[in-house]
Amino acid sequence: DQQVKQNSPSLSVQEGRISILNCDYTNSMFDYFLWYKKYPAEGPTFLISISSIKDKNEDGRFTVFLNKSAKHLSLHIVPSQPGDSAVYFCAASHQGAQKLVFGQGTRLTINP
Amino acid sequence: KAGVTQTPRYLIKTRGQQVTLSCSPISGHRSVSWYQQTPGQGLQFLFEYFSETQRNKGNFPGRFSGRQFSNSRSEMNVSTLELGDSALYLCASTSGPGNEQFFGPGTRLTVL
Repeated sequence: DQQVKQNSPSLSVQEGRISILNCDYTNSMFDYFLWYKKYPAEGPTFLISISSIKDKNEDGRFTVFLNKSAKHLSLHIVPSQPGDSAVYFCAASHQGAQKLVFGQGTRLTINP
Repeated sequence: KAGVTQTPRYLIKTRGQQVTLSCSPISGHRSVSWYQQTPGQGLQFLFEYFSETQRNKGNFPGRFSGRQFSNSRSEMNVSTLELGDSALYLCASTSGPGNEQFFGPGTRLTVL
């Protein structure tokens, strides 16, 4: 039972445009959500997080939106840059537990 | 501040052998978690240690074990290796509950 799902295995976006990556979850106990970026042969790099008490969090070019009723979150990257090309994972946890449940990842390609 | 370090970066073992992987967390971080990444199963939580005690455990067989030392460094051990144990093993540390986890570069284990 996959509790965190990223239904798009890949996404291709023009440089300078907005990239929108989506993530759905099924466990209503999740109260903390994170996005990580990963290059091959490296560990995931933390990008941005959001607590379930918020519906939006911004950090520079990255914004995460949380829709608790739909059990859906999204990551917006504006403007997209070639260096953003990587695999993006969303992850969730609950009650401060350090156990992160990851989605399968979305490969983002930014085209010049 | 130095990041999470993992040694070795690459390992090749044969079936039936055992292996020990090491992780040094970010200075001041007392919680260390381990994850396994495979193409088929994605990123999966193995276990988490805090103050030398295992706090959480994922759904892995008893062949997978770990420990944490008083300086927060952690090791994980896999005994009686199987072909399916070939994976990228990632270690992450955090300063506390509700805070983001920072990942190391991983150890790539190949079982022949």
